[in-house]
Amino acid sequence: DAGVIQSPRHEVTEMGQEVTLRCKPISGHDYLFWYRQTMMRGLELLIYFNNNVPIDDSGMPEDRFSAKMPNASFSTLKIQPSEPRDSAVYFCASSFKGWNTEAFFGQGTRLTVV
Amino acid sequence: GENVEQHPSTLSVQEGDSAVIKCTYSDSASNYFPWYKQELGKRPQLIIDIRSNVGEKKDQRIAVTLNKTAKHFSLHITETQPEDSAVYFCAAKRAKAAGNKLTFGGGTRVLVKP
Repeated sequence: DAGVIQSPRHEVTEMGQEVTLRCKPISGHDYLFWYRQTMMRGLELLIYFNNNVPIDDSGMPEDRFSAKMPNASFSTLKIQPSEPRDSAVYFCASSFKGWNTEAFFGQGTRLTVV
Repeated sequence: GENVEQHPSTLSVQEGDSAVIKCTYSDSASNYFPWYKQELGKRPQLIIDIRSNVGEKKDQRIAVTLNKTAKHFSLHITETQPEDSAVYFCAAKRAKAAGNKLTFGGGTRVLVKP
């Protein structure tokens, strides 16, 4: 398996535009997580899915953020409209079920909103 | 919810010396404690983990200790090398009821000086 795959790797967009980040988890994994990383706030969990169902979205900062997982092999994180303070690295991670299983991270998407 | 505090935020050591990073957690029901290493511009990757039924675990130059009574755990790196320079994150997870959610500490930037 190629691991967790995210696209794009880098995204530069203008304030007010819609941004869509994509993630393909490792095949067979039950859980998918979206994290945001900034210098100020570290690694923040935004939302996670179990078997394609959102379980906890309490970390989603505002209604401008939404995430979907239409099937076991694909998830999107959308920001509409984007703002400069959304600039960060967004990581997707996946894991098997089980309390002691490793979370595997994708390479991340570096988002810059100007 | 779970809260994980990590100290120090930065750590500079001379090559060959030891490095120690400490974390505390708030939820006494947490029972899985992984450590992730993130090199510059790369994804976080698991380097070692410890379950709540174990007090210490070693893997070559790295070791983790866990004190469940005090709710703290530590990462020890001995004989540090330049390639140990990275940001290290501790995390905690509570099984089952809380799903598969990992809560991360704020990270420690380790610099190993040659």
